[in-house]
Amino acid sequence: KAGVTQTPRYLIKTRGQQVTLSCSPISGHRSVSWYQQTPGQGLQFLFEYFSETQRNKGNFPGRFSGRQFSNSRSEMNVSTLELGDSALYLCASSLALSRGYDEQFFGPGTRLTVL
Amino acid sequence: AQTVTQSQPEMSVQEAETVTLSCTYDTSENNYYLFWYKQPPSRQMILVIRQEAYKQQNATENRFSVNFQKAAKSFSLKISDSQLGDTAMYFCAFMNLNFNKFYFGSGTKLNVKP
Repeated sequence: KAGVTQTPRYLIKTRGQQVTLSCSPISGHRSVSWYQQTPGQGLQFLFEYFSETQRNKGNFPGRFSGRQFSNSRSEMNVSTLELGDSALYLCASSLALSRGYDEQFFGPGTRLTVL
Repeated sequence: AQTVTQSQPEMSVQEAETVTLSCTYDTSENNYYLFWYKQPPSRQMILVIRQEAYKQQNATENRFSVNFQKAAKSFSLKISDSQLGDTAMYFCAFMNLNFNKFYFGSGTKLNVKP
Protein backbone atom coordinates (compact mmCIF):
# COMPACT_ATOMS: atom_id res chain seq x y z
CA LYS A 1 0.00 0.00 0.00
CA ALA A 2 1.44 3.38 -0.95
CA GLY A 3 2.30 5.76 1.88
CA VAL A 4 1.32 9.37 2.35
CA THR A 5 2.57 11.52 -0.49
CA GLN A 6 3.08 15.26 -0.55
CA THR A 7 3.70 17.54 -3.49
CA PRO A 8 5.75 19.44 -4.21
CA ARG A 9 8.67 18.35 -2.07
CA TYR A 10 10.43 21.69 -2.28
CA LEU A 11 9.10 25.17 -2.95
CA ILE A 12 10.63 28.63 -3.04
CA LYS A 13 8.37 31.66 -2.90
CA THR A 14 8.75 35.36 -2.16
CA ARG A 15 7.03 37.42 0.50
CA GLY A 16 3.48 38.35 -0.33
CA GLN A 17 2.88 35.41 -2.65
CA GLN A 18 0.53 32.56 -1.91
CA VAL A 19 1.20 28.83 -2.03
CA THR A 20 -0.81 25.62 -2.21
CA LEU A 21 0.53 22.33 -0.88
CA SER A 22 -1.01 18.96 -1.61
CA CYS A 23 -1.31 15.77 0.42
CA SER A 24 -2.57 12.38 -0.71
CA PRO A 25 -3.33 10.11 2.24
CA ILE A 26 -2.94 6.37 2.41
CA SER A 27 -5.78 4.67 0.55
CA GLY A 28 -8.76 4.24 2.87
CA HIS A 29 -7.63 6.87 5.36
CA ARG A 30 -10.25 9.51 6.00
CA SER A 31 -8.47 11.96 8.25
CA VAL A 32 -5.69 14.29 7.18
CA SER A 33 -3.79 16.54 9.58
CA TRP A 34 -1.30 19.27 8.76
CA TYR A 35 1.69 20.37 10.84
CA GLN A 36 4.30 23.07 10.56
CA GLN A 37 7.81 22.01 11.60
CA THR A 38 10.46 24.60 12.37
CA PRO A 39 13.81 24.23 14.17
CA GLY A 40 13.37 24.69 17.90
CA GLN A 41 9.56 24.73 17.70
CA GLY A 42 8.97 21.13 16.84
CA LEU A 43 5.71 20.33 15.15
CA GLN A 44 2.79 22.66 15.53
CA PHE A 45 -0.66 21.50 14.62
CA LEU A 46 -2.35 23.48 11.89
CA PHE A 47 -5.64 21.69 11.27
CA GLU A 48 -7.30 18.34 10.70
CA TYR A 49 -9.81 17.42 8.02
CA PHE A 50 -12.22 14.54 8.13
CA SER A 51 -14.88 13.80 5.51
CA GLU A 52 -14.24 17.12 3.78
CA THR A 53 -14.82 19.08 7.00
CA GLN A 54 -12.33 20.81 9.24
CA ARG A 55 -12.61 18.93 12.52
CA ASN A 56 -9.81 20.55 14.52
CA LYS A 57 -7.81 23.71 14.24
CA GLY A 58 -4.57 24.95 15.78
CA ASN A 59 -3.55 28.49 16.64
CA PHE A 60 -2.49 29.83 13.27
CA PRO A 61 -3.67 33.01 11.56
CA GLY A 62 -6.37 32.98 8.92
CA ARG A 63 -3.73 33.15 6.19
CA PHE A 64 -3.44 29.40 6.66
CA SER A 65 -6.37 27.46 5.27
CA GLY A 66 -7.08 24.04 3.94
CA ARG A 67 -9.62 21.78 2.40
CA GLN A 68 -10.28 18.14 1.78
CA PHE A 69 -11.79 16.56 -1.28
CA SER A 70 -14.17 13.64 -1.54
CA ASN A 71 -11.27 11.27 -2.25
CA SER A 72 -9.66 12.41 1.06
CA ARG A 73 -6.86 14.26 -0.68
CA SER A 74 -6.14 17.53 1.06
CA GLU A 75 -4.66 20.87 0.15
CA MET A 76 -3.22 23.54 2.36
CA ASN A 77 -3.02 27.16 1.29
CA VAL A 78 -0.97 29.97 2.73
CA SER A 79 -1.71 33.46 1.50
CA THR A 80 0.43 36.60 1.80
CA LEU A 81 3.54 34.65 2.66
CA GLU A 82 5.87 35.95 5.37
CA LEU A 83 9.52 35.06 6.00
CA GLY A 84 8.45 33.23 9.17
CA ASP A 85 6.36 30.82 7.13
CA SER A 86 9.54 29.09 5.95
CA ALA A 87 9.23 25.59 7.35
CA LEU A 88 8.72 21.92 6.64
CA TYR A 89 5.00 21.27 6.26
CA LEU A 90 4.01 17.76 7.17
CA CYS A 91 0.79 15.99 6.47
CA ALA A 92 -0.38 12.89 8.31
CA SER A 93 -3.26 10.58 7.58
CA SER A 94 -5.20 8.13 9.71
CA LEU A 95 -8.09 5.72 9.28
CA ALA A 96 -10.37 7.59 11.70
CA LEU A 97 -12.79 4.68 12.00
CA SER A 98 -13.98 6.01 15.34
CA ARG A 99 -13.20 8.64 17.91
CA GLY A 100 -10.14 7.94 19.95
CA TYR A 101 -6.62 6.79 19.27
CA ASP A 102 -5.74 6.41 15.66
CA GLU A 103 -2.18 6.02 14.46
CA GLN A 104 -1.02 8.81 12.21
CA PHE A 105 1.18 8.09 9.21
CA PHE A 106 3.31 10.97 8.06
CA GLY A 107 4.31 12.09 4.60
CA PRO A 108 7.82 13.25 3.65
CA GLY A 109 6.83 16.90 3.91
CA THR A 110 7.06 19.95 1.69
CA ARG A 111 10.00 22.24 2.39
CA LEU A 112 8.81 25.82 1.87
CA THR A 113 11.34 28.62 1.70
CA VAL A 114 10.09 32.21 1.66
CA LEU A 115 12.58 34.80 0.40
CA ALA B 1 -3.77 23.79 27.55
CA GLN B 2 -1.59 20.84 26.77
CA THR B 3 2.16 21.34 26.45
CA VAL B 4 4.98 18.92 25.79
CA THR B 5 8.53 19.75 26.82
CA GLN B 6 11.73 18.10 25.67
CA SER B 7 14.57 19.72 27.56
CA GLN B 8 17.43 18.04 25.67
CA PRO B 9 17.87 19.65 22.23
CA GLU B 10 20.72 17.30 21.32
CA MET B 11 22.30 14.15 22.72
CA SER B 12 25.06 11.76 21.73
CA VAL B 13 25.60 8.12 22.55
CA GLN B 14 28.16 5.50 21.58
CA GLU B 15 27.01 2.59 19.51
CA ALA B 16 25.79 -0.33 21.68
CA GLU B 17 25.25 1.87 24.72
CA THR B 18 21.98 2.95 26.32
CA VAL B 19 20.51 6.43 26.18
CA THR B 20 17.44 8.01 27.76
CA LEU B 21 15.51 10.89 26.23
CA SER B 22 13.37 13.00 28.52
CA CYS B 23 9.88 14.34 28.03
CA THR B 24 7.44 16.06 30.36
CA TYR B 25 3.94 17.16 29.60
CA ASP B 26 1.23 19.21 31.18
CA THR B 27 -2.45 18.38 31.02
CA SER B 28 -5.55 18.34 33.14
CA GLU B 29 -6.99 15.49 31.13
CA ASN B 30 -7.09 11.93 32.41
CA ASN B 31 -7.67 10.18 29.11
CA TYR B 32 -4.76 10.47 26.73
CA TYR B 33 -1.98 8.75 24.82
CA LEU B 34 1.71 9.48 24.71
CA PHE B 35 4.03 8.75 21.82
CA TRP B 36 7.62 8.85 20.70
CA TYR B 37 8.19 9.51 17.02
CA LYS B 38 11.47 9.19 15.13
CA GLN B 39 12.42 11.40 12.19
CA PRO B 40 15.62 10.18 10.48
CA PRO B 41 17.57 12.75 8.44
CA SER B 42 15.59 13.59 5.29
CA ARG B 43 13.19 10.75 5.92
CA GLN B 44 9.63 10.39 7.06
CA MET B 45 8.49 10.48 10.64
CA ILE B 46 7.60 7.09 12.05
CA LEU B 47 6.03 5.95 15.28
CA VAL B 48 8.48 4.34 17.72
CA ILE B 49 6.29 3.55 20.68
CA ARG B 50 3.02 4.58 22.33
CA GLN B 51 1.64 4.48 25.85
CA GLU B 52 -1.97 4.61 26.97
CA ALA B 53 -2.37 6.79 30.04
CA TYR B 54 -4.69 4.32 31.75
CA LYS B 55 -2.08 1.55 31.61
CA GLN B 56 0.41 1.40 34.46
CA GLN B 57 2.73 -0.99 32.66
CA ASN B 58 5.45 0.70 30.65
CA ALA B 59 5.35 0.05 26.91
CA THR B 60 8.22 -1.82 25.26
CA GLU B 61 9.09 -2.33 21.60
CA ASN B 62 12.25 -4.36 21.14
CA ARG B 63 15.17 -2.07 22.09
CA PHE B 64 12.83 0.83 22.89
CA SER B 65 11.06 1.21 26.22
CA VAL B 66 9.43 4.02 28.13
CA ASN B 67 9.34 5.11 31.74
CA PHE B 68 5.86 6.53 32.22
CA GLN B 69 5.35 8.41 35.47
CA LYS B 70 1.77 9.65 35.33
CA ALA B 71 1.77 11.60 38.58
CA ALA B 72 4.99 13.37 37.61
CA LYS B 73 3.76 13.78 34.01
CA SER B 74 6.98 12.35 32.73
CA PHE B 75 7.46 10.08 29.74
CA SER B 76 11.07 9.19 28.94
CA LEU B 77 12.33 6.95 26.14
CA LYS B 78 15.14 4.48 26.72
CA ILE B 79 17.03 3.12 23.74
CA SER B 80 19.13 0.08 24.54
CA ASP B 81 22.02 -1.23 22.44
CA SER B 82 22.01 1.94 20.34
CA GLN B 83 22.59 1.46 16.63
CA LEU B 84 23.83 3.88 13.97
CA GLY B 85 20.37 3.75 12.40
CA ASP B 86 18.90 5.26 15.57
CA THR B 87 20.44 8.60 14.61
CA ALA B 88 17.43 10.88 14.18
CA MET B 89 15.26 13.58 15.68
CA TYR B 90 12.99 12.16 18.33
CA PHE B 91 9.70 13.83 19.13
CA CYS B 92 7.56 13.23 22.16
CA ALA B 93 3.86 13.71 21.51
CA PHE B 94 0.64 13.84 23.48
CA MET B 95 -2.82 13.07 22.17
CA ASN B 96 -5.92 14.37 23.87
CA LEU B 97 -8.52 11.67 23.31
CA ASN B 98 -11.40 14.02 23.99
CA PHE B 99 -10.42 16.34 21.19
CA ASN B 100 -8.38 14.01 18.98
CA LYS B 101 -5.53 16.52 18.82
CA PHE B 102 -1.79 15.90 18.87
CA TYR B 103 0.76 18.08 20.65
CA PHE B 104 4.45 17.65 19.95
CA GLY B 105 7.59 18.60 21.81
CA SER B 106 10.41 20.53 20.16
CA GLY B 107 12.44 17.38 19.58
CA THR B 108 15.76 15.87 20.66
CA LYS B 109 18.44 15.28 18.06
CA LEU B 110 20.16 11.98 18.84
CA ASN B 111 23.56 11.19 17.36
CA VAL B 112 24.78 7.62 17.63
CA LYS B 113 28.56 7.50 17.25
CA PRO B 114 30.51 4.48 16.01
